[in-house]
Amino acid sequence: NAGVTQTPKFQVLKTGQSMTLQCAQDMNHNSMYWYRQDPGMGLRLIYYSASEGTTDKGEVPNGYNVSRLNKREFSLRLESAAPSQTSVYFCASSALAGVEQYFGPGTRLTVT
Amino acid sequence: GENVEQHPSTLSVQEGDSAVIKCTYSDSASNYFPWYKQELGKRPQLIIDIRSNVGEKKDQRIAVTLNKTAKHFSLHITETQPEDSAVYFCAASMYSGAGSYQLTFGKGTKLSVIP
Repeated sequence: NAGVTQTPKFQVLKTGQSMTLQCAQDMNHNSMYWYRQDPGMGLRLIYYSASEGTTDKGEVPNGYNVSRLNKREFSLRLESAAPSQTSVYFCASSALAGVEQYFGPGTRLTVT
Repeated sequence: GENVEQHPSTLSVQEGDSAVIKCTYSDSASNYFPWYKQELGKRPQLIIDIRSNVGEKKDQRIAVTLNKTAKHFSLHITETQPEDSAVYFCAASMYSGAGSYQLTFGKGTKLSVIP
């Protein structure tokens, strides 16, 4: 039982490049989330998926898109990376929306 | 939307002393309040949570209290140990429509326990 996994662990992009961050959970959870964490800013919600087949914007969705591929997987895509998207990205999941969330190990992204 | 304020941003205590971190929230409809601990370079991990129908919850050396009237909740750590050093985040769960709930996090408190 791996819990929540994320790939890659580290990534460096040039401005304008695109990439997809992958997240998977094996806990049969319904809800999944993408957060970004910047120094002094806490965790800010980018997008979430309350259940398979639905996605909604969070607090900071601009510049990102998501896909809930199936119940297990939730990906985050940066179409045209900008230096302001340099951050640590965490995926999380929960059995029901808004209750106990379990986090993945994070992806450290640097955009130059 | 929900707004969660967390204080203090940094806290230093001597080993064995108690530490208290406080959070306030704005949406009276929020009904779930978790606390997460994040060690340097690691993922946030849930350490304790409380629901709006309970005023206090305790788990060994950590406890959380909730005052719904005043819309604030606090984390209490007693007999602090060096391994308690980490960043602690509070959060509040609010209804965001269409059957969905989301967590709003405070900005975090860096706790340092001095041996």
